[in-house]
Amino acid sequence: KAGVTQTPRYLIKTRGQQVTLSCSPISGHRSVSWYQQTPGQGLQFLFEYFSETQRNKGNFPGRFSGRQFSNSRSEMNVSTLELGDSALYLCASSLDAGLTIYFGEGSWLTVV
Amino acid sequence: DQQVKQNSPSLSVQEGRISILNCDYTNSMFDYFLWYKKYPAEGPTFLISISSIKDKNEDGRFTVFLNKSAKHLSLHIVPSQPGDSAVYFCAALYALNFGKGTSLLVTP
Repeated sequence: KAGVTQTPRYLIKTRGQQVTLSCSPISGHRSVSWYQQTPGQGLQFLFEYFSETQRNKGNFPGRFSGRQFSNSRSEMNVSTLELGDSALYLCASSLDAGLTIYFGEGSWLTVV
Repeated sequence: DQQVKQNSPSLSVQEGRISILNCDYTNSMFDYFLWYKKYPAEGPTFLISISSIKDKNEDGRFTVFLNKSAKHLSLHIVPSQPGDSAVYFCAALYALNFGKGTSLLVTP
């Protein structure tokens, strides 16, 4: 079956702009979580959605937001982009939290 | 505040030898632990997991050990192969708190 799909794969934005990243989970998976990876920081948890509800949230400012649709597809939005937001944003899906999760290939965001 | 810590950012091991990657956690409520492997420019892939009711889980060349009293887990790779060269992350559930990763280099 198809894996986790993230779009776009690469994008460049300027400071102050906003960006929306999309994630299509594996069919049947209802839990979608988002992570940010920056050099030297490892993976940092952004938030997790299950059945259109945000269940967990990491320590990121309110500029980072997300949502999940009824078909389990998820989007994350970053407003008022800063240079430090340049990172690889990863989406992962699972049947439910606590079970094996599967990552997408990520969306590379560069803020200039 | 990092609840999952990988204090060794890098490790170099010769091919055929054992690789031991360590991970410490602070939250005693964590009860499920996972290891992920990540190659450059790719997303992490699940490697092996362990539940807190066990102290060892083995899958081929990969074995994870859990010491609950010490809040410590380790991943053993035996024998190490050049294809194992990657960044390894340990994670603890529920909110998937990741360590910062350990970059493993296996030299021929």
